[in-house]
Amino acid sequence: KQEVTQIPAALSVPEGENLVLNCSFTDSAIYNLQWFRQDPGKGLTSLLLIQSSQREQTSGRLNASLDKSSGRSTLYIAASQPGDSATYLCAVYETGANNLFFGTGTRLTVIP
Amino acid sequence: KAGVTQTPRYLIKTRGQQVTLSCSPISGHRSVSWYQQTPGQGLQFLFEYFSETQRNKGNFPGRFSGRQFSNSRSEMNVSTLELGDSALYLCASSSHVYGGGETQYFGPGTRLLVL
Repeated sequence: KQEVTQIPAALSVPEGENLVLNCSFTDSAIYNLQWFRQDPGKGLTSLLLIQSSQREQTSGRLNASLDKSSGRSTLYIAASQPGDSATYLCAVYETGANNLFFGTGTRLTVIP
Repeated sequence: KAGVTQTPRYLIKTRGQQVTLSCSPISGHRSVSWYQQTPGQGLQFLFEYFSETQRNKGNFPGRFSGRQFSNSRSEMNVSTLELGDSALYLCASSSHVYGGGETQYFGPGTRLLVL
């Protein structure tokens, strides 16, 4: 069964700092990997989607990488801002399945 | 385009009652998935519907059921509510044009509290 783990569970950084969030998954037979952001009590906002054939995706200050063979993905956030404070979730879409397997999330706090 | 909408946004029920939650996907999206989010278990997949057919089901008891209508709107039902069913229920839609794995767009969720 696919298991997705995110480290660290929580992270506090001062404003302006660059940071990396980590995601690992146990089964490399994935179709794609998606990073989401969730604000307290709210739904999920899709940030980036990386297809299994891709190595990375970029959107503004966000860059996500994927190493399928080692079962790892990272989300890099450049020049963090207080508005980036949220829980970040990664999820993998398994080949042959029709659902996402979610990680445990990293709660990010950016201190002004 | 309007996003995924879910109704109601908040719900309070008592043990033993049943509840129905509704989800309207993004226009043109035919796949609707449901997830349960709790502090202890995180986000867990409930089921997925495509063109009115359930294609995949997570590991939840039969008290959890769903359906999809011809306009792609979906409902999920939980019967005989238990305290542990208190959670945020999220619905997601995708276009599913290329055979799976497209970006999933989530609604704001329905927060269910069972007393």
